Amino acid sequence: QSVLTQPPSASGTPGQRVTISCSGSSSNIGRDTVNWYQQLPGTAPKLLIYSNNQRPSGVPDRFSGSKSGTSASLAISGLQSEDEADYYCATWDASLMRVFGGGTRLTVL
Amino acid sequence: QVQLQQSGPGLVKPSQTLSLTCAISGDSVSSNSAAWNWIRQSPSRGLEWLGRTYYRSKWYDDYAVSVKSRIAIKADTSKNQFSLQLNSVTPEDTAMYYCARTHSGYDDYWGQGTLVTVSS
Repeated sequence: QSVLTQPPSASGTPGQRVTISCSGSSSNIGRDTVNWYQQLPGTAPKLLIYSNNQRPSGVPDRFSGSKSGTSASLAISGLQSEDEADYYCATWDASLMRVFGGGTRLTVL
Repeated sequence: QVQLQQSGPGLVKPSQTLSLTCAISGDSVSSNSAAWNWIRQSPSRGLEWLGRTYYRSKWYDDYAVSVKSRIAIKADTSKNQFSLQLNSVTPEDTAMYYCARTHSGYDDYWGQGTLVTVSS
């Protein structure tokens, strides 16, 4: 049982906009920034969004993040087939532990 | 460019100690702005942070409550690497293990992963 709650799956067609939610509490998302990771099959997670809404160099601006209160969201616009992957949210908990969401498998139909 | 290269056995017997090493290039394990983490992933537990070590004028470490009694993460400054030791392993410790660097609150570089199976 993950500390942060994500929907197990999401889907969309090429060109569509999809959003993935991440729900936490006042002891984690409510007190710290949220990061998002993309994990392609057989690879390590890759940083996608940091500090709620910042993109590392090289991440397309089709990816965006937001946070409000104890929830966060990842939005992907102009969906492409290569976006098919698992997506995870993460933050720090008040007990100084890193906490992750359970992951959302995105399928591009 | 930071690179993290993991090494260690892929098979550990129950009740024994799991030992992995993460060699760092492009940064220093003694950096005052980074932390060095171990994270594991399994189908049943998802991504699970195990702990970290970092240097801020002296060495600190933090561990997940779930493994606190049997884990040690240590830095080796002479080799610019850090290690994970997890004692008294059971089949539930079977997972893909990753090392990762935390910088400014996010994990920006990850190792390639090591699949560790706990089995006799």
